[in-house]
Amino acid sequence: GQNIDQPTEMTATEGAIVQINCTYQTSGFNGLFWYQQHAGEAPTFLSYNVLDGLEEKGRFSSFLSRSKGYSYLLLKELQMKDSASYLCAVRDRNQAGTALIFGKGTTLSVSS
Amino acid sequence: DTGVSQDPRHKITKRGQNVTFRCDPISEHNRLYWYRQTLGQGPEFLTYFQNEAQLEKSRLLSDRFSAERPKGSFSTLEIQRTEQGDSAMYLCASSLGPADYGYTFGSGTRLTVV
Repeated sequence: GQNIDQPTEMTATEGAIVQINCTYQTSGFNGLFWYQQHAGEAPTFLSYNVLDGLEEKGRFSSFLSRSKGYSYLLLKELQMKDSASYLCAVRDRNQAGTALIFGKGTTLSVSS
Repeated sequence: DTGVSQDPRHKITKRGQNVTFRCDPISEHNRLYWYRQTLGQGPEFLTYFQNEAQLEKSRLLSDRFSAERPKGSFSTLEIQRTEQGDSAMYLCASSLGPADYGYTFGSGTRLTVV
């Protein structure tokens, strides 16, 4: 089966940097995704990693280590609008349709 | 194309009633997924269609749940004899193939069973 763990809550201040960690166990790893979800809204795609290393996209970066079953999402220059839930999701080639399996999400609160 | 549309946005129903939700995916997307999300949890996979064929159903999808995707376009999710435990956000997502950029989600239908 699959297991995805991420912290439940994190807090940070405007302008700071925050790192949200995700560990996973899956038999047929085929990619890791990060989504952002504001309260009451749909998840929106942030990043995708399938090879080891760092992917950078503006203020957001995502890192993957397949051997450790570990990823993190790094958010720089935090803004109030970054307050949201951040979902780590794994794609498993053994899952029909390569459906994504999501963690429970990390609620990030950014204060001024 | 305006993305993935779901209707209704909110539904309140009495326990025991049947409800049906609709999802219109992005037109060229051949894969469609239904997820359920409860407060404080991540989305949980329910079922998956490739074109009109329903290829996988989660064990979460009890026999009170049924989903269809006639003609491989829009999809419906029906819940019969609703229970309070069915209260959740029901999310639809679509993709073109395995989608290395993940899916596009709809805004969801929030179901409240009273």
